[in-house]
Amino acid sequence: KNQVEQSPQSLIILEGKNCTLQCNYTVSPFSNLRWYKQDTGRGPVSLTIMTFSENTKSNGRYTATLDADTKQSSLHITASQLSDSASYICVVSEGGKLTFGTGTRLQVTL
Amino acid sequence: DVKVTQSSRYLVKRTGEKVFLECVQDMDHENMFWYRQDPGLGLRLIYFSYDVKMKEKGDIPEGYSVSREKKERFSLILESTSTNQTSMYLCASTPKGRARNEQFFGPGTRLTVL
Repeated sequence: KNQVEQSPQSLIILEGKNCTLQCNYTVSPFSNLRWYKQDTGRGPVSLTIMTFSENTKSNGRYTATLDADTKQSSLHITASQLSDSASYICVVSEGGKLTFGTGTRLQVTL
Repeated sequence: DVKVTQSSRYLVKRTGEKVFLECVQDMDHENMFWYRQDPGLGLRLIYFSYDVKMKEKGDIPEGYSVSREKKERFSLILESTSTNQTSMYLCASTPKGRARNEQFFGPGTRLTVL
């Protein structure tokens, strides 16, 4: 069964610090991987998309990496801000079918 | 900007009541989806539609039905609610095409069934 596992489940960091969220998947064949940010009470919003041939992609303070050989992705957040507090969801596409991770809940505190 | 709206943000219903959840998108997207989101389980696909009048079962269609009479509107129907349908319901849309498409989500409806 195709799976997407994210770690940690939750994370608390101080404002200004960096953090890295992990996503491991078993989905095959692989089309692309997206990271979504979901603010509390809102729907998810796409941050980045990565295809098989891409290793790194940045969107402002967010940098996603992909290792298609080991089927791992990470989302690195630099110089965190209070507004980064949200759930981050990894979604892997196999053709047109999407498999969602359970998310990492990040809380940034003062 | 793509906008996906959902008819209610919060709903409280009693067991056995009928519930309509409506979703409207304003970007002429062909594809529309209904998910439920539960802690520890992630998003699970209930139903989806690639065109008007078309519908396809997702991974967990039991207890739900859908209606797509117009391209911009996709409704989720719970004929007789049960407590295990307490959840966050998210609607999403994408333009025609498949693998690379970003899902545009609505704000969600939090349904509580008592």
